[in-house]
Amino acid sequence: NAGVTQTPKFQVLKTGQSMTLQCAQDMNHEYMSWYRQDPGMGLRLIHYSVGAGITDQGEVPNGYNVSRSTTEDFPLRLLSAAPSQTSVYFCASSSKRGRAEGEQYFGPGTRLTVT
Amino acid sequence: RKEVEQDPGPFNVPEGATVAFNCTYSNSASQSFFWYRQDCRKEPKLLMSVYSSGNEDGRFTAQLNRASQYISLLIRDSKLSDSATYLCVVPGVPNDYKLSFGAGTTVTVRA
Repeated sequence: NAGVTQTPKFQVLKTGQSMTLQCAQDMNHEYMSWYRQDPGMGLRLIHYSVGAGITDQGEVPNGYNVSRSTTEDFPLRLLSAAPSQTSVYFCASSSKRGRAEGEQYFGPGTRLTVT
Repeated sequence: RKEVEQDPGPFNVPEGATVAFNCTYSNSASQSFFWYRQDCRKEPKLLMSVYSSGNEDGRFTAQLNRASQYISLLIRDSKLSDSATYLCVVPGVPNDYKLSFGAGTTVTVRA
């Protein structure tokens, strides 16, 4: 199993550009989430999904869109990049079986710089 | 008040020492707690889950104090490889797939 994969690993955007960060998991997990991590701060939830076709906003959703057309994939779209979106982005997945919701598997992250 | 707060450290300890640090949480209804480990510029990885009063896994012990709303992590016989940032994670109530992360406690173990 590859676990959770993310592409690209690094990205530089100019202000106003749009792009999609890809995330895929092969563990048949129901839950998938996107976080951003900034220096000195904990991971903050951007958007999450509890299953295919179901998404919801997290703590910091503005400027981002998501969709979940399949169980495996959960792409994050930046609509119009801003310097404030410079961050490290992590995708994570977990199973809803038992009490495993908090036992999340993370992808390796995407380091995004917006100039 | 933040949902999850941690002492950022850093805790600098010699090999073989014991180090312990706490995490406080604000939601008294929280039922489960997690410690994740994050190495520099890497993804967080689950270290330990705490569903009752505590948990022990080798040199790592987590203890939960519900009355004072904190979870502690203790590392015995520290190894150089224990150097990392330790993240305290508390699921939301009732939506426990929405996790709140602390900013992390940095531990550096020196030879």
